[in-house]
Amino acid sequence: DQQVKQNSPSLSVQEGRISILNCDYTNSMFDYFLWYKKYPAEGPTFLISISSIKDKNEDGRFTVFLNKSAKHLSLHIVPSQPGDSAVYFCAASLYSGTYKYIFGTGTRLKVLA
Amino acid sequence: GAVVSQHPSWVICKSGTSVKIECRSLDFQATTMFWYRQFPKQSLMLMATSNEGSKATYEQGVEKDKFLINHASLTLSTLTVTSAHPEDSSFYICSARDRTRIRTIYFGEGSWLTVV
Repeated sequence: DQQVKQNSPSLSVQEGRISILNCDYTNSMFDYFLWYKKYPAEGPTFLISISSIKDKNEDGRFTVFLNKSAKHLSLHIVPSQPGDSAVYFCAASLYSGTYKYIFGTGTRLKVLA
Repeated sequence: GAVVSQHPSWVICKSGTSVKIECRSLDFQATTMFWYRQFPKQSLMLMATSNEGSKATYEQGVEKDKFLINHASLTLSTLTVTSAHPEDSSFYICSARDRTRIRTIYFGEGSWLTVV
């Protein structure tokens, strides 16, 4: 049962354009969401997060949007840069005695110069 | 940002031996640390959650006697793969939750384990 899904395994975007990465979840108990960027053979790097009480959070070139009714979140990167090429994971968190984090399967972003 | 360090980055061990991987939070106190395993082209699979000073909570299907987790201090957790077999070869990653930013977890660099 995949509670967090990233349905696009890969995405290619031209440099300077917007990258939009999508993530869907099924459990309405998730109340905190995070995005991570991962290069091969490295640990994921935290990018941005959003609480379920918000619908948007922005940090520099990165903006995360949350649509609770649709159980959907997205990460916008604008403008995209070649250095953004990596695998992006979304994660959903809930508290059930302890904090749990469920990760999606990742989307490989390639930014073309 | 918060820094989590894993050691070693790469380790090769013989089948039947044990290997220990360390996870340290360098500039924050981590009351909770998580251990993940990643297979090629797959997502991060949570193996266990460890809280400082208490026993780790293992996910279903993870052998607690094989993957020993210790979280003796607020800055250090260790994963010991006991009696390693080639199928244990994988990329192991830890993450730590900053007690002052309780909902964000930060990852180590990961450790490649190869069992020959």
